[in-house]
Amino acid sequence: DAGVIQSPRHEVTEMGQEVTLRCKPISGHNSLFWYRQTMMRGLELLIYFNNNVPIDDSGMPEDRFSAKMPNASFSTLKIQPSEPRDSAVYFCASSASGVGTEAFFGQGTRLTVV
Amino acid sequence: GQQLNQSPQSMFIQEGEDVSMNCTSSSIFNTWLWYKQEPGEGPVLLIALYKAGELTSNGRLTAQFGITRKDSFLNISASIPSDVGIYFCAGNSGNTPLVFGKGTRLSVIA
Repeated sequence: DAGVIQSPRHEVTEMGQEVTLRCKPISGHNSLFWYRQTMMRGLELLIYFNNNVPIDDSGMPEDRFSAKMPNASFSTLKIQPSEPRDSAVYFCASSASGVGTEAFFGQGTRLTVV
Repeated sequence: GQQLNQSPQSMFIQEGEDVSMNCTSSSIFNTWLWYKQEPGEGPVLLIALYKAGELTSNGRLTAQFGITRKDSFLNISASIPSDVGIYFCAGNSGNTPLVFGKGTRLSVIA
């Protein structure tokens, strides 16, 4: 079975550019989460969706960050404009039976903003 | 909000030794999970616990859901080099997203 699929695996971009990260959750899962991981702050929850509806985006650091889930099999996290401090590994995760159950992670996107 | 305190932050052990790490929460949890993350990969679920006092094993790994529902531990017996990685505890107290600890970085010296 395919797990959570993220693309790209690595992204290097210049400050000020728009960055779009993509995620395909596990088929049949109804909750999707976007996390950011840095050495300093660990795993931070940015936003999560339940049945394609954004439930809580209080973890999104700034208005430069936005996320969408147009259907059950696809989500995007966009940063516009990007800044060097956005450099981190971004993970998407999904769960099968609601927000509070076991989450399965993708391999992550390592973003470097120069 | 809910907070998790995971310890130790890092461990250096000899191959063959047993390892123990734990997490405590500021509030009662209904679920405790343990994940392992290897370099360049996402966290992978190792063990899930749903009941106070529950003790669950997965090969050389054993985890327990504390009786107070505010703590959990993970033990690894007879460590091997491929146990290297970062181990995260996670939990929650209802229909809310998982809260993650800061991780325990394990290094195994052959």
